[in-house]
Amino acid sequence: KAGVTQTPRYLIKTRGQQVTLSCSPISGHRSVSWYQQTPGQGLQFLFEYFSETQRNKGNFPGRFSGRQFSNSRSEMNVSTLELGDSALYLCASSLGQGGRYEQYFGPGTRLTVT
Amino acid sequence: GNSVTQMEGPVTLSEEAFLTINCTYTATGYPSLFWYVQYPGEGLQLLLKATKADDKGSNKGFEATYRKETTSFHLEKGSVQVSDSAVYFCALSENYIPTFGRGTSLIVHP
Repeated sequence: KAGVTQTPRYLIKTRGQQVTLSCSPISGHRSVSWYQQTPGQGLQFLFEYFSETQRNKGNFPGRFSGRQFSNSRSEMNVSTLELGDSALYLCASSLGQGGRYEQYFGPGTRLTVT
Repeated sequence: GNSVTQMEGPVTLSEEAFLTINCTYTATGYPSLFWYVQYPGEGLQLLLKATKADDKGSNKGFEATYRKETTSFHLEKGSVQVSDSAVYFCALSENYIPTFGRGTSLIVHP
């Protein structure tokens, strides 16, 4: 069974631009969660989508948004990029909603904002 | 809010040594607890989990017991291998919101 895939793996953007990251979950998984990982803040939860609806949200500004499609693939968008948005963005899929189900993580997208 | 505190690393051990990585948490209710491992250049993998007090999660020789009285979930392994070198994350989930610790780097020398 194929794992969670994320595209692109690396991205360089300029401050003020916007970016869209993509995540394809494991086949059959209906939940996709997004995380931001930085050396300073560690791993922080952004949001979770289940059945095309955002179910849970972490403490991030509205510049961070996402969506999920009917095939469970998910995209995350960051608008008006700031230098502090440079991070590894991880997505994770699971069979069901919420943290009680095992999450399977992708390799991440490394975003650098200059 | 919820929080997870892990011992700072790196933890450096010789092969076959005993490993303990401490993890304590703060939560309002009864969270599920997890340990994840991240190998270089890869995403996180679930190592083990426990969903209620006194549960013991175990996998690949690693163990952790959910201690409600001390709000702890320490990770242990009796004999580490070089291949165990990675970053280990303790995490909790309560009300569908996951909270992760900062991670502890483990380096195992031959």
